[in-house]
Amino acid sequence: DSGVTQTPKHLITATGQRVTLRCSPRSGDLSVYWYQQSLDQGLQFLIQYYNGEERAKGNILERFSAQQFPDLHSELNLSSLELGDSALYFCASSQTSGYSYNEQFFGPGTRLTVL
Amino acid sequence: DAKTTQPPSMDCAEGRAANLPCNHSTISGNEYVYWYRQIHSQGPQYIIHGLKNNETNEMASLIITEDRKSSTLILPHATLRDTAVYYCIVLPRNTNAGKSTFGDGTTLTVKP
Repeated sequence: DSGVTQTPKHLITATGQRVTLRCSPRSGDLSVYWYQQSLDQGLQFLIQYYNGEERAKGNILERFSAQQFPDLHSELNLSSLELGDSALYFCASSQTSGYSYNEQFFGPGTRLTVL
Repeated sequence: DAKTTQPPSMDCAEGRAANLPCNHSTISGNEYVYWYRQIHSQGPQYIIHGLKNNETNEMASLIITEDRKSSTLILPHATLRDTAVYYCIVLPRNTNAGKSTFGDGTTLTVKP
């Protein structure tokens, strides 16, 4: 158990819909990261937040957005969903100060299926 | 950031040591070697990291060559539960996670 929690575990929705994925980091970790893993793309970094502020952006679509709240939990919002958005979405946390890399601890993931 | 090369797959007998190689010939002096693994559809799991000295923890040992151009992750007594994809990543501490590219890794299959 990494200490990172994600909800829900599974999500099935239709094209065009909007969903919210939730992540709670390990106790004491200020940085939260979101990754997408689809069958043909491997693990892709989406975005990083540190103590409520966006720190780094990866290959995140404009239809996707994220935020980190004062209690440090984070939410990833996916809108106007397409079939290609079906994937595993992982959240990770670390003790980094925000501009440095420390080992990351990953949650169990949310499996999103868009029909 | 340095690029890494790993064999796509390896087999290991249960109870034997699993030695997973990683080539990072373009590594810079300030870049660390990190290893993660991902058991099927689970979240990746941090294993170990090192700069130039060999490292050991409760999960594995990391051997880095003197010229730092390659490294080997050693699982001393592999079990069936060690079957996973193992990722080797090289990057400096003073960078953000956007640079932490998880490539294709090595699929380790531990056989009874």
